[in-house]
Amino acid sequence: DTGVSQDPRHKITKRGQNVTFRCDPISEHNRLYWYRQTLGQGPEFLTYFQNEAQLEKSRLLSDRFSAERPKGSFSTLEIQRTEQGDSAMYLCASPGQEFGGYTFGSGTRLTVV
Amino acid sequence: GEDVEQSLFLSVREGDSSVINCTYTDSSSTYLYWYKQEPGAGLQLLTYIFSNMDMKQDQRLTVLLNKKDKHLSLRIADTQTGDSAIYFCAEGSSNTGKLIFGQGTTLQVKP
Repeated sequence: DTGVSQDPRHKITKRGQNVTFRCDPISEHNRLYWYRQTLGQGPEFLTYFQNEAQLEKSRLLSDRFSAERPKGSFSTLEIQRTEQGDSAMYLCASPGQEFGGYTFGSGTRLTVV
Repeated sequence: GEDVEQSLFLSVREGDSSVINCTYTDSSSTYLYWYKQEPGAGLQLLTYIFSNMDMKQDQRLTVLLNKKDKHLSLRIADTQTGDSAIYFCAEGSSNTGKLIFGQGTTLQVKP
């Protein structure tokens, strides 16, 4: 148990469908980060929140992607009109105050067919 | 821009030491991390070092940081078959907290 929970673990969807992923961070951590990892690559930063405010979005995050963190607790990442290139592992991370305990969830593996 | 480079593959014999190297470009990085990822599994934080430190030791793991050359290394003593995995180096800023990862080094440990 990493302390960061992600749901679902796997998602298979048809191209053009919308998907939504959820992340529940470690409760006392006010920052939450989303990353994407494709096969053979390291994770790439997508966006992050401090409490409910979304403070930075990567250029990787096209307008088909939207993330929210209502009330500064759990976060959702939605992808609209999915494309095959969206197939990846989507990771959520919850660093502690000192950034030493930068913990990742197990991820949601998205396959777009 | 920000970039982190790692060699892609390292093969060692069980019981030997492994040294995985990483170079980074962002001189403002405050934290540097090593993560381990086993096949089909998530990212496991192994260790991290603050940029004002030169070395950190944690049981079989030794991290060396050369800030002048922007070079980070992870030494695993007495490497075991269970250490076979992909190792990722990452740099992070205390301002934003976002991490920039390398491509990962696949460590193969032969019995």
